[in-house]
Amino acid sequence: ELKVEQNPLFLSMQEGKNYTIYCNYSTTSDRLYWYRQDPGKSLESLFVLLSNGAVKQEGRLMASLDTKARLSTLHITAAVHDLSATYFCAVDSVNNDMRFGAGTRLTVKP
Amino acid sequence: DSGVTQTPKHLITATGQRVTLRCSPRSGDLSVYWYQQSLDQGLQFLIQYYNGEERAKGNILERFSAQQFPDLHSELNLSSLELGDSALYFCASSATVKNTEAFFGQGTRLTVV
Repeated sequence: ELKVEQNPLFLSMQEGKNYTIYCNYSTTSDRLYWYRQDPGKSLESLFVLLSNGAVKQEGRLMASLDTKARLSTLHITAAVHDLSATYFCAVDSVNNDMRFGAGTRLTVKP
Repeated sequence: DSGVTQTPKHLITATGQRVTLRCSPRSGDLSVYWYQQSLDQGLQFLIQYYNGEERAKGNILERFSAQQFPDLHSELNLSSLELGDSALYFCASSATVKNTEAFFGQGTRLTVV
């Protein structure tokens, strides 16, 4: 069964610092997704990674995918308070549903 | 605004009762997914419909059922409710049967008392 693991689960950062969130998954999958969720709100799509070596960037966030290692990273550059949220990665299962990681709760402190 | 509409936003009901959650997908999307989010279980996939037919089933209890209607809106029915069913229920939609990008609604927060 497909398992998706994220680490760390909790991350407290200082503004201006860099950090990386890791997402490992247990079985082969063609697609990996990153979502952001603010407290009590919906999930907002950040990135869709469709192939090995894919890299996408939006503002201070950059996501990459290594399908051979079954690993995706979400890199945060020069964090700002507005990035405080919970970040989820998700992977397509063989049944075409998305399986989510437990989420990484990011807090950016001044 | 993702374009996915869920109603109601909040629902409080008693144990043993039955409720129906409604989802309207984005215009043109044929695939609808239901997820349950709780503190202890995280985001759990429940069920997927594509163009009116069930396509995939996840950790959906037998007390729960869903359907997708000809106009593509979907309903999730939860019956014999228990305290542990209290959660945020999300609907998501995508254009095709295979996720390329799924867009989530605002969710329905269900509280069972």
